[in-house]
Amino acid sequence: GENVEQHPSTLSVQEGDSAVIKCTYSDSASNYFPWYKQELGKRPQLIIDIRSNVGEKKDQRIAVTLNKTAKHFSLHITETQPEDSAVYFCAASKGSASKIIFGSGTRLSIRP
Amino acid sequence: GAGVSQSPSNKVTEKGKDVELRCDPISGHTALYWYRQSLGQGLEFLIYFQGNSAPDKSGLPSDRFSAERTGGSVSTLTIQRTQQEDSAVYLCASSLSPFTGQLGWNEQFFGPGTRLTVL
Repeated sequence: GENVEQHPSTLSVQEGDSAVIKCTYSDSASNYFPWYKQELGKRPQLIIDIRSNVGEKKDQRIAVTLNKTAKHFSLHITETQPEDSAVYFCAASKGSASKIIFGSGTRLSIRP
Repeated sequence: GAGVSQSPSNKVTEKGKDVELRCDPISGHTALYWYRQSLGQGLEFLIYFQGNSAPDKSGLPSDRFSAERTGGSVSTLTIQRTQQEDSAVYLCASSLSPFTGQLGWNEQFFGPGTRLTVL
């Protein structure tokens, strides 16, 4: 079955700097890759997703890149702000499958 | 309702007792998912429903875990003979449908979770 590895497990960056979180997946048939943000004590919320027919997607300060050959995808947050502090989860799934496999999460801290 | 709701929000039980966790998905959402999140850990997939059927039960940790969904709406996750290692936050999510088209997936909306503590 699918296996998703995520790193780093913790990341601390200076406010205003960029943060990058990387994930790899094992099943080459996976074609949907969402990213969820979970603030302390709150539920996960989708922040961006990418499908296998594109290599990059941007939404304001957030971008995700996908390398299908290498089977890895990354989340990029630019101009980080205090409200970006949270745990971020990557995930992978097949369009014809019924479940989404999550990575183990990255705890991002923004230093003032 | 406006979002996915779960009850109870907190449940403390003694080892060996059975517990039932409830999830009310967003109205009209045909897909429903259960996940488990242990302290400081990631999201572990448990089971998925499309309507009232569960095409994928592969994530259930043991035969002590079961889930059902009736009327294509409310779902209950039952844990029998609870063990201390079952302590975790159990999250439910729903989506309009599992996926749309060849490459589409619909966003999953998560509930607030049920924090289960087994003493």
